[in-house]
Amino acid sequence: QSVLTQPPSVSAAPGQKVTISCSGSSSNIGNNYVSWYQQLPGTAPKLLIYDNNKRPSGIPDRFSGSKSGTSATLGITGLQTGDEADYYCGTWDSSLSAGGVFGTGTKVTVL
Amino acid sequence: EVQLVESGGGLVQPGGSLRLSCAASGFTFSSYWMSWVRQAPGKGLEWVANIKQDGSEKYYVDSVKGRFTISRDNAKNSLYLQMNSLRAEDTAVYYCAREYSGYDYDYYYYYYMDVWGKGTTVTVSS
Repeated sequence: QSVLTQPPSVSAAPGQKVTISCSGSSSNIGNNYVSWYQQLPGTAPKLLIYDNNKRPSGIPDRFSGSKSGTSATLGITGLQTGDEADYYCGTWDSSLSAGGVFGTGTKVTVL
Repeated sequence: EVQLVESGGGLVQPGGSLRLSCAASGFTFSSYWMSWVRQAPGKGLEWVANIKQDGSEKYYVDSVKGRFTISRDNAKNSLYLQMNSLRAEDTAVYYCAREYSGYDYDYYYYYYMDVWGKGTTVTVSS
């Protein structure tokens, strides 16, 4: 059972922008950094954003991340057909059952 | 090339056991925390367990505590997941991942997985 809530799906036309929200609590997002992962169909997840807003080398600046309080947001601008994938937020949960946690996942569809 | 390769998946009956392995190459394995993450068919990612560089700290998701054991052999650059008392709900693709984690100067915890294997499939069914 995911403790981070994401919208099931978002969609937009090529070239447009989408944003994906990730809602948590003080035991996870509120006091820890957030990461984002892209999972293309049939492949392993790939790190997209770490430490709330940093991009690993090779990730285009069309992808951006932000965090405010107990929520985080992933933005994708200049949407491309190759961006069609599932996206997950992730962080560490510092509650009694400490461990990694992922969001429920969001399917991005390019119309 | 930095690489993680999982193996050991397969079909097992409920109540049975399976041991997954993850072979690491291209980086200093002993310098990193490592994780197992799983994904049930058609479902989202679920973090399963992680282990500190020297094996002295381990964390598990509640649903596998007492049944799964994570371990590592730094001399063999390998990560393991021993899975006992398997249930149908453990059916998933299991990924091995390299972690970055720790506290920054403001005591916020950074945590992410920057390298992932391709996964190995575990099916629990009679």
